[in-house]
Amino acid sequence: GESVGLHLPTLSVQEGDNSIINCAYSNSASDYFIWYKQESGKGPQFIIDIRSNMDKRQGQRVTVLLNKTVKHLSLQIAATQPGDSAVYFCAEENSGYALNFGKGTSLLVTP
Amino acid sequence: DSGVTQTPKHLITATGQRVTLRCSPRSGDLSVYWYQQSLDQGLQFLIQYYNGEERAKGNILERFSAQQFPDLHSELNLSSLELGDSALYFCASSPQPFSAGNTIYFGEGSWLTVV
Repeated sequence: GESVGLHLPTLSVQEGDNSIINCAYSNSASDYFIWYKQESGKGPQFIIDIRSNMDKRQGQRVTVLLNKTVKHLSLQIAATQPGDSAVYFCAEENSGYALNFGKGTSLLVTP
Repeated sequence: DSGVTQTPKHLITATGQRVTLRCSPRSGDLSVYWYQQSLDQGLQFLIQYYNGEERAKGNILERFSAQQFPDLHSELNLSSLELGDSALYFCASSPQPFSAGNTIYFGEGSWLTVV
């Protein structure tokens, strides 16, 4: 069936480096994608979103890239900080009524 | 703070019991969503309400039910609880029914442990 998945379950980066978190999706009809950050004991927090008619969108220290040809989504975090340590989820629109979440990637920022 | 309020934050109950989780959406939001997060299944969409009416159903068990009240708060009722129902239950809200570009904001979750 259609699903959203993540390439890596864990990612460890040094403080100050750039982080790249990847996500594969299989529903070519999806029109909308979101990245969420979830810190321990908290709910998912919206980071950035992108529509399917775009291939790149930038926010504050974050960039989302969408490659529809290979159905791949990535989140780039510039100058990663300890406060960026969390689980990151990509989510795609599911049949126009909800978000379908991937399993999540745990990002660990080391000093 | 997303503005979505969920109670209780933690709940421990026995198998076979029934619990009710409560959610107050962000001020002005008409849509409420319920998600279940477990270690093996990740975040699973359960159900969506818009302005008091059920709008979409996901992977919600028949033992579970939900409703949205006139004041827009929502309750998720879980009955005949099983050990496998232990999970984090999130409520989320958005101003309008879900659509591309309509950001969904999540609460802090209700941690349910069934023993």
